Amino acid sequence: GDSVTQKQGQVTLSEDDFLFINCTYSTTTYPTLLWYVQYPGQGPQLLLKVTTANNKGISRGFEATYDKGTTSFHLQKASVQESDSAVYFCALAPNSAGNKLTFGIGTRVLVRP
Amino acid sequence: EAAVTQSPRNKVAVTGGKVTLSCNQTNNHNNMYWYRQDTGHGLRLIHYSYGAGSTEKGDIPDGYKASRPSQENFSLILELATPSQTSVYFCASGEGYEQYFGPGTRLTVL
Repeated sequence: GDSVTQKQGQVTLSEDDFLFINCTYSTTTYPTLLWYVQYPGQGPQLLLKVTTANNKGISRGFEATYDKGTTSFHLQKASVQESDSAVYFCALAPNSAGNKLTFGIGTRVLVRP
Repeated sequence: EAAVTQSPRNKVAVTGGKVTLSCNQTNNHNNMYWYRQDTGHGLRLIHYSYGAGSTEKGDIPDGYKASRPSQENFSLILELATPSQTSVYFCASGEGYEQYFGPGTRLTVL
């Protein structure tokens, strides 16, 4: 079955630091790769998507790049702010119309002022 | 205005008791989902539904039932609650890969 792996449980940064979170996946389909963000006290919300056709997704200053060779799609942001403190989940939809998502365990990002 | 709402927001139950978690969506989405969130496990799918009257088992359905009486409402039922079901539960609605989550229900089973 499909799986996604996030190895970083928590990342602590200072404002203006560079954020990088890696995620690897395994699937037999042509997936859509997703990053969801969960702010404190809220449910997750879609941050951005990457398809295997376009290789890159950009939203709200965040960028995700898909690497077919390593089956990975990392999330990065050049300069984080305290308001970016949240839990970030990578997820996989088995195809562009996929309804059943597979989530990673999440990476808690704490940005200190 | 919130499109996915959950009730209750917090619940304390006793072992062996029955618990019903409710979810309502105004997105008019056919698909709805129930997840639980636990540290070290992320979001795990319990049950989902393709429309009124339909329920499907997700990845961890044991100990849970679901009910979808209408397009708007989707319930998660714990007939005999156990302490291992202590968790935060999220309902979501969506079509395709974008899912819209509710604010969550924190359930504690003593």
